[in-house]
Amino acid sequence: EAQVTQNPRYLITVTGKKLTVTCSQNMNHEYMSWYRQDPGLGLRQIYYSMNVEVTDKGDVPEGYKVSRKEKRNFPLILESPSPNQTSLYFCASSLVPDRSYNSPLHFGNGTRLTVT
Amino acid sequence: GQNIDQPTEMTATEGAIVQINCTYQTSGFNGLFWYQQHAGEAPTFLSYNVLDGLEEKGRFSSFLSRSKGYSYLLLKELQMKDSASYLCAPPPPDNYGQNFVFGPGTRLSVLP
Repeated sequence: EAQVTQNPRYLITVTGKKLTVTCSQNMNHEYMSWYRQDPGLGLRQIYYSMNVEVTDKGDVPEGYKVSRKEKRNFPLILESPSPNQTSLYFCASSLVPDRSYNSPLHFGNGTRLTVT
Repeated sequence: GQNIDQPTEMTATEGAIVQINCTYQTSGFNGLFWYQQHAGEAPTFLSYNVLDGLEEKGRFSSFLSRSKGYSYLLLKELQMKDSASYLCAPPPPDNYGQNFVFGPGTRLSVLP
């Protein structure tokens, strides 16, 4: 089944303890992206990747890192989490980054992170 | 970033028709997407407009005018399961499409 898999679904951690949220897709998609979603602020893009070893900042990259060593995986790393990073996180992927084609984003099921 | 505007909330009755508007400021000429998101779930793809005009897909239609920076999603014969948030993702200013940015979303409540 074609899907984007995020883990974990729920995570409670403490300030400063490094964590990684994994994201994997099995559709051979070039484009992958991370979003956070907060009440009243909608989906905001953190980082995106056009292909292996190509990543770029979105609108809210501070406090996050990503890597794209393999096409299928795009982990989100919080080196020193803080309470303002408490949020619902979504990973997404699409076939091609060029939006002249109908290549919608496929989303993972989300990771609800709480930082105390 | 882009300035994308959608109504925050809308309410409609089962069986009715509702139009959700999206306005944006961009010079991009690529397509616009609409997504549906039920509470606590991931967004799912609804529709795509690559050209100006109306695209119809069952009970859902979407309209795009790139010169006016305007789109709408039309939902007909509303059902209770249509209660969700609806997100528009306009063309990016760089014309390349890698920066998928979403509007704030419109939360639609369908009442019996």
